[in-house]
Amino acid sequence: DQQVKQNSPSLSVQEGRISILNCDYTNSMFDYFLWYKKYPAEGPTFLISISSIKDKNEDGRFTVFLNKSAKHLSLHIVPSQPGDSAVYFCAASDGGTSNTGKLIFGQGTTLQVKP
Amino acid sequence: NAGVTQTPKFRILKIGQSMTLQCAQDMNHNYMYWYRQDPGMGLKLIYYSVGAGITDKGEVPNGYNVSRSTTEDFPLRLELAAPSQTSVYFCASSSRSYEQYFGPGTRLTVT
Repeated sequence: DQQVKQNSPSLSVQEGRISILNCDYTNSMFDYFLWYKKYPAEGPTFLISISSIKDKNEDGRFTVFLNKSAKHLSLHIVPSQPGDSAVYFCAASDGGTSNTGKLIFGQGTTLQVKP
Repeated sequence: NAGVTQTPKFRILKIGQSMTLQCAQDMNHNYMYWYRQDPGMGLKLIYYSVGAGITDKGEVPNGYNVSRSTTEDFPLRLELAAPSQTSVYFCASSSRSYEQYFGPGTRLTVT
């Protein structure tokens, strides 16, 4: 049973346009959500996060939106740049209750930004 | 500050062989994790540790063992390697319950 799902395996956008990556979750106990970015042959790197008490968090070109009622979050990248081409993983934690720091990851979405 | 380091980067094992994947962090993080990533899939948690001497199973622990004798090191042991263990293995650490820092990964092939 996949608790965190990224239903789009890939996304292709033109440089300068907006990239929107989506993520759905099923566990209502998740209280913190993160996005990681992964280049080939490297480990994932943390990109941006959001607490369940917020509905939006912004960091430069990256914004994460959380819709708790729909159990849905999205990552917006504006404007998209070729260097953003990577695999993006959504992850969720119920750290408030379990206190283990465990993350549940989605399958990932491969973003290609075309020059 | 090296962050999270993993050795080896690549390894080919024969079925039934054993090996230890090394992971070390120099950030004094209490939490450490081992994941595996199969093609087209997300990261699956194998084992984790919330401090030296404390380890627990994750989602896919079968065929693996871990130990945590120091804060810095968290080795992953594969006993009797099987083709199903062909994967990329990532070690991660964190100082609190959320943002994890990942190593570069170990690509393992079992033939």
